[in-house]
Amino acid sequence: ETGVTQTPRHLVMGMTNKKSLKCEQHLGHNAMYWYKQSAKKPLELMFVYNFKEQTENNSVPSRFSPECPNSSHLFLHLHTLQPEDSALYLCASSQVPRNGYTFGSGTRLTVV
Amino acid sequence: AQSVTQPDIHITVSEGASLELRCNYSYGATPYLFWYVQSPGQGLQLLLKYFSGDTLVQGIKGFEAEFKRSQSSFNLRKPSVHWSDAAEYFCAVGADTNAGKSTFGDGTTLTVKP
Repeated sequence: ETGVTQTPRHLVMGMTNKKSLKCEQHLGHNAMYWYKQSAKKPLELMFVYNFKEQTENNSVPSRFSPECPNSSHLFLHLHTLQPEDSALYLCASSQVPRNGYTFGSGTRLTVV
Repeated sequence: AQSVTQPDIHITVSEGASLELRCNYSYGATPYLFWYVQSPGQGLQLLLKYFSGDTLVQGIKGFEAEFKRSQSSFNLRKPSVHWSDAAEYFCAVGADTNAGKSTFGDGTTLTVKP
């Protein structure tokens, strides 16, 4: 149990579908993050939320839409994705920067 | 701006041999430094962290790392590698500024030979 739970673990979706990824933490952390990890590429920061407020959008296409209803939950809404969006999507949380991140196990997304 | 370089993309060691993974960082002040490990298809797990005090830090799974300010390095070491250590290892640097974000290196893949 990592403390950060991501669902679903695997997702296959067509380019015209709409789906959502969910991330949940009950560690009392105030910051939550979405990262994209593609094969042979470095980790890409997508979004940062601090105390439910979005503090960073790292030039992510609008087909990815984050939502943070409270400090424990983070969603990533997906629509009209492209095959190149296939990747492992990782959620992380932290309390203070010096403690580092707690990551979820990720959602393996395949766009067909 | 903060940045991290992991010079080795892939390292192979024999089981029982010692291991050192290199990490160099760039940051103006004293950074927060981290090592994470990722098994295939999984998220990243924090191995150890440094933010102040003793420059040699101990982590989980028998790993340690040493902060060397003069060399801007934070190398990860293990005296005797086990087959289960085969994974990808990421060095990261963080700070109280920059919205508290960490910047990750590109990772080093460790293969362990029997």
